[in-house]
Amino acid sequence: AQTVTQSQPEMSVQEAETVTLSCTYDTSESDYYLFWYKQPPSRQMILVIRQEAYKQQNATENRFSVNFQKAAKSFSLKISDSQLGDAAMYFCAYRSARSGGFKTIFGAGTRLFVKA
Amino acid sequence: KAGVTQTPRYLIKTRGQQVTLSCSPISGHRSVSWYQQTPGQGLQFLFEYFSETQRNKGNFPGRFSGRQFSNSRSEMNVSTLELGDSALYLCASSPGGQGVHNEQFFGPGTRLTVL
Repeated sequence: AQTVTQSQPEMSVQEAETVTLSCTYDTSESDYYLFWYKQPPSRQMILVIRQEAYKQQNATENRFSVNFQKAAKSFSLKISDSQLGDAAMYFCAYRSARSGGFKTIFGAGTRLFVKA
Repeated sequence: KAGVTQTPRYLIKTRGQQVTLSCSPISGHRSVSWYQQTPGQGLQFLFEYFSETQRNKGNFPGRFSGRQFSNSRSEMNVSTLELGDSALYLCASSPGGQGVHNEQFFGPGTRLTVL
């Protein structure tokens, strides 16, 4: 069975600084997708960034980028120029590309605090 | 387009009762997934429905069931409620095809409290 591990329950960053959230996963599959979701306090979960396992190039979405290390099964999220609005729970997630559907496996989450 | 809507937003039940939660997906979306979110267990996948058929199922007891209607709206039912069922239940919809760009959109959730 696949698992996703986020070893940092909480992280803190100064506004305008850069922070990296860690995520490791375990799978025996070779074709899968990885995601980072953001869940602001009392607000809906939204997708931040996605990565296809067969793509070597790291995904980037504006201030958000990932460091995808397939051999190490590592998928960290880097937030550059942190803003107050980035404060939220961040979930790393895994989804198999082989099986149909959306059986997404989530990590326990990292709560990010942004200091003004 | 309107987003994913879930009703009710808050619910209080007592042990032994049953409850039905509703999810209306984004118009045109055919896949609806349900997740349970608790502080202790995090986000756990319950099941996914696609075109009125259960396509994937998580590791939850049979007390948790669901269904999807022809208009893609989905309901989730929990029978014989236990204190541990207290959680935020999230629904997510997507167009339903394959590929990483087939994105899931989440609803605001239903907060269930079991007393």
